[in-house]
Amino acid sequence: ETGVTQTPRHLVMGMTNKKSLKCEQHLGHNAMYWYKQSAKKPLELMFVYNFKEQTENNSVPSRFSPECPNSSHLFLHLHTLQPEDSALYLCASSQVWGRVNEQFFGPGTRLTVL
Amino acid sequence: SQQGEEDPQALSIQEGENATMNCSYKTSINNLQWYRQNSGRGLVHLILIRSNEREKHSGRLRVTLDTSKKSSSLLITASRAADTASYFCATPNMEYGNKLVFGAGTILRVKS
Repeated sequence: ETGVTQTPRHLVMGMTNKKSLKCEQHLGHNAMYWYKQSAKKPLELMFVYNFKEQTENNSVPSRFSPECPNSSHLFLHLHTLQPEDSALYLCASSQVWGRVNEQFFGPGTRLTVL
Repeated sequence: SQQGEEDPQALSIQEGENATMNCSYKTSINNLQWYRQNSGRGLVHLILIRSNEREKHSGRLRVTLDTSKKSSSLLITASRAADTASYFCATPNMEYGNKLVFGAGTILRVKS
């Protein structure tokens, strides 16, 4: 399998549920990202991991908890979300954080919070 | 805000016509990137143009960059229905590890 994969592709959860989003990249990259894309808003960077270390947390609420066990896998743990958290969550990877390089995106997880 | 802003917000053309989208940004950059997103899917990188380049081609895509005006344009020639998508420019924030900042995008619809 190539590129960046994300599971699940669709997720519906209640506000009291706990769920996790998974991302895997098969590109040998060292940087991985979580983005949030809401309707009619620009893409928002949430977290950045570089060589498994978190380098960016853009003031994301603690109900979103990222985990990067290795350079190929990235998780986003979700807990007590709000309806306004409904969005498309995109994972991306690149060679390394901080340098000029393109990002490769997964297909996204469409999250609906009821 | 460094955010790139695309113009127009939406564009509808006939198959075979050319489509031009523009992007303006506010801070100094070392490169500018264009991405495409099909409805509800992930973004696909199209092209990267460095700040010392003025024009770059890739297949039916032509990108220009004018750093004096802090603007870029993406031209898609001989458009196809499959080009229907949202197009985003992204600029790196050099003060924050070249974090990419995306614009709101141009929605392109190519009618067959």
